Order: sequence, then C-alpha cells, then structure tokens
Amino acid sequence: AQTIHQWPVAEIKAVGSPLSLGCTIKGKSSPNLYWYWQATGGTLQQLFYSITVGQVESVVQLNLSASRPKDDQFILSTEKLLLSHSGFYLCAWSGDWGGAQDTQYFGPGTRLLVL
Amino acid sequence: QQKVQQSPESLSVPEGGMASLNCTSSDRNFQYFWWYRQHSGEGPKALMSIFSDGDKKEGRFTAHLNKASLHVSLHIRDSQPSDSALYFCAVSLTGNTGKLIFGLGTTLQVQP
Repeated sequence: AQTIHQWPVAEIKAVGSPLSLGCTIKGKSSPNLYWYWQATGGTLQQLFYSITVGQVESVVQLNLSASRPKDDQFILSTEKLLLSHSGFYLCAWSGDWGGAQDTQYFGPGTRLLVL
Repeated sequence: QQKVQQSPESLSVPEGGMASLNCTSSDRNFQYFWWYRQHSGEGPKALMSIFSDGDKKEGRFTAHLNKASLHVSLHIRDSQPSDSALYFCAVSLTGNTGKLIFGLGTTLQVQP
C-alpha cells in the first residue's frame, strides 16, 4: 500500500525567514507529485506538479519554488516568507499517466503560520 | 472568476437524511468532475469521479452529471455524523498535467 508523509506537521515562522516543506511517497514508483495550498477554510490551489525526478512545472506563482530531488520526494521552499504564505500545504500523488482520469491522493498536510 | 462554483455554501441535514450538493463549471475543457471530502485538519480524500452523463453510484453516494449544462450534483443518502466535512467539487482538464481546479466547497453538518 502507498503511504504519503509530510513534514513538518506544523510550523510557525517569521516574515522574511526561509521555509522548506517536504513530502515523501512510499510504495509507488515514479508517482506524479503535486503541491497545493489552502487558505484556512478555503479552496485548494495547485501550485506545482512533477512527473519525474528533476522536472517541476509551476502552476501558480506565489514566490515559492519546488524541487524533486528523488523519485519519492518533493520539496517546497522559499527564501523569504510573506504573511500571505500562511495556510495549509498539501502534497498529493497520482498514478502512471498524470491524466485527467487519475485520482490524486493527498497527504496529511503541513500547517504554516507566518507572523 | 471562479471556474468551479458550488452551492450551497453550507448545509445541515439530520442523521439518516439526504444531503444534496451542487457544482457547475464554466470551463467546457474538462474531462472529469471530481468530488473530494475533507475532514477538519486532514487532507482531502477523493469520493468519486464522473465523466459520462447520468448517474454514478458508490455506496451511499450518487453523483449526477449533465454535461450540456456543465452541472454535477452529489447526493448522500442515509447521512451519518461522520459525513460532516467540507466537500469540494473539482474539474480535471484535458491533457496530462494532472491539473485540478477546485471549487470553494460546501460545508456539510449532519445533526445526530
């Protein structure tokens, strides 16, 4: 069975400080990976997707960047946090094709508060 | 402009009752409608997808799609308190990017 783990569970950070969030998928080779952002009580916005190691596509520019250093790992980062970065960050994976018919499976999320 | 619109914003039904949620897309370039459910503090989980006109049933959940009007509904029969959650409608677009566009969600409260 596939498992998805996100770290850290929660973070409180200062404006202007750097950030690194991680996501690991076990039990699935070559998954398609996604990062989403969700404002408190709000909708989900897809930020990045990756279909293979080293390749990341940006969907929405929010002064964030993403990298995929390993097949099972996806990293979200920024050098300077803004207040608007606060929210819930979710990593998701899908199967072989990354197509419209593939179910996306979400991780437990990381809650970020920027002060 | 929000491409995926959901109604109502919130809904309260008694335990054992029927909950009906609605969703409309303004983008005809979709392939699938999806319903996701998110319990507080957790990641969303996919309930079902639908791409053909008509009904699709999975257990207590039935989705109905009208492609001509780009409208999909989700009906939950015999609602349980554990069904209380935020329900998202999403559309996946053509192509192989895995792009999902979510609506603003409907909060469902099932009263015991």
